[in-house]
Amino acid sequence: KAGVTQTPRYLIKTRGQQVTLSCSPISGHRSVSWYQQTPGQGLQFLFEYFSETQRNKGNFPGRFSGRQFSNSRSEMNVSTLELGDSALYLCASSLEATSTDTQYFGPGTRLTVL
Amino acid sequence: ELKVEQNPLFLSMQEGKNYTIYCNYSTTSDRLYWYRQDPGKSLESLFVLLSNGAVKQEGRLMASLDTKARLSTLHITAAVHDLSATYFCAVVNTGNQFYFGTGTSLTVIP
Repeated sequence: KAGVTQTPRYLIKTRGQQVTLSCSPISGHRSVSWYQQTPGQGLQFLFEYFSETQRNKGNFPGRFSGRQFSNSRSEMNVSTLELGDSALYLCASSLEATSTDTQYFGPGTRLTVL
Repeated sequence: ELKVEQNPLFLSMQEGKNYTIYCNYSTTSDRLYWYRQDPGKSLESLFVLLSNGAVKQEGRLMASLDTKARLSTLHITAAVHDLSATYFCAVVNTGNQFYFGTGTSLTVIP
């Protein structure tokens, strides 16, 4: 069974640009969550999607958005990039609900903003 | 805002020894998670603790949850080198938002 995949794995952008990251969950999983990991702020929850609906959202500005498609694949978008957006972005999928099911994490996308 | 504190931040221990990592959180929650992260790698889910008094064990790791004390522990028994990693706890608030601890970097020395 294939694991969670994220593309691209590495990305370099400049300030002001926008970026779209993609996450393909494990087959059959309907919940996808996104996290940001930085040395300074640690791990922070971005949002969670379930059956194409955003179910939960962390404390991030509106520049951070996401969506989920009918096949459960998810994308997150960051507009008007800032230097502080440089981070490892992780997505995780679970069968039904993040509250009780085990989450399976992808390898992450490392975004560098210059 | 919910605060999650882990201690110690760094832990160096000899193989064969026992140790405990602590995770304290500031507001009521009845769900707590433990994760492992190897250097340069992604996160791996270890345990989900859903109720007061919950205890889960996997190999040399055992996690417990005391919701009244707002405390979870991750106990390591007879550590081996393969357990070297960073361990995170995370707590979920009533709005289903995840809050992570700062992580405990564990190094097991032969």
